[in-house]
Amino acid sequence: EVQVVESGGGLVQPGRSLRLSCTTSGFIFRDHAMNWVRQAPGKGLEWVGFIGTKPNGGTAEYAASVIGRFTISRDDSKSIAYLQMDSLKTEDTAVYYCSRDTSYAADYWGQGTLVTVSS
Amino acid sequence: DIQMTQSPSSLSASVGDRVTITCRASQSIKTYLNWYQQRPGKAPKLLIYTASSLQSGVPSRFSGSGSGTDFVFTISSLQPEDFATYYCQQSHTTPRTFGQGTKVEIK
Repeated sequence: EVQVVESGGGLVQPGRSLRLSCTTSGFIFRDHAMNWVRQAPGKGLEWVGFIGTKPNGGTAEYAASVIGRFTISRDDSKSIAYLQMDSLKTEDTAVYYCSRDTSYAADYWGQGTLVTVSS
Repeated sequence: DIQMTQSPSSLSASVGDRVTITCRASQSIKTYLNWYQQRPGKAPKLLIYTASSLQSGVPSRFSGSGSGTDFVFTISSLQPEDFATYYCQQSHTTPRTFGQGTKVEIK
């Protein structure tokens, strides 16, 4: 059974950093790109970025709103993807979802982890 | 960036109704269009990928069509568990933008 579980959310002050983890099981992690999507309270879904597989270069791409502040990485040996968030702003407050990518779509999603940026 | 515009933003319907949602892309995305369902407090769920392919395990009352810039999502006979918000998303290029969502409510 495919499982995707996010962790690491919480309350953080503006300007500080936070790292989210996306722990997976039930599939061959190294064969899949992984996505991060967020949802601010009462708002729609916003694509944050994704990281490709190492055979395809393992590169990450990002939404304009997080470029230079967020970094996505992966540890294929542990089947975990990470979202490092630096210089956090109040507008980064959201539930952050991790999902498995099929090259076309995100087919398995975690339950999300809430990040609140507030002083 | 490719802009995705869904309509309507919300609709009211009854159990058994046929429901149609449209999604328009600001430029051609071929058939790289996905549809997701999100129930309150839950993660999104993939229903349709590449415009018309039904994700495994998803009931056949859900369907999708279209190519280029115009896409349609249909629920043939609305069920109680279908009351949710639906999002389209393009996967043609990054950023993989979402539509603003369509909330399907009980009439």
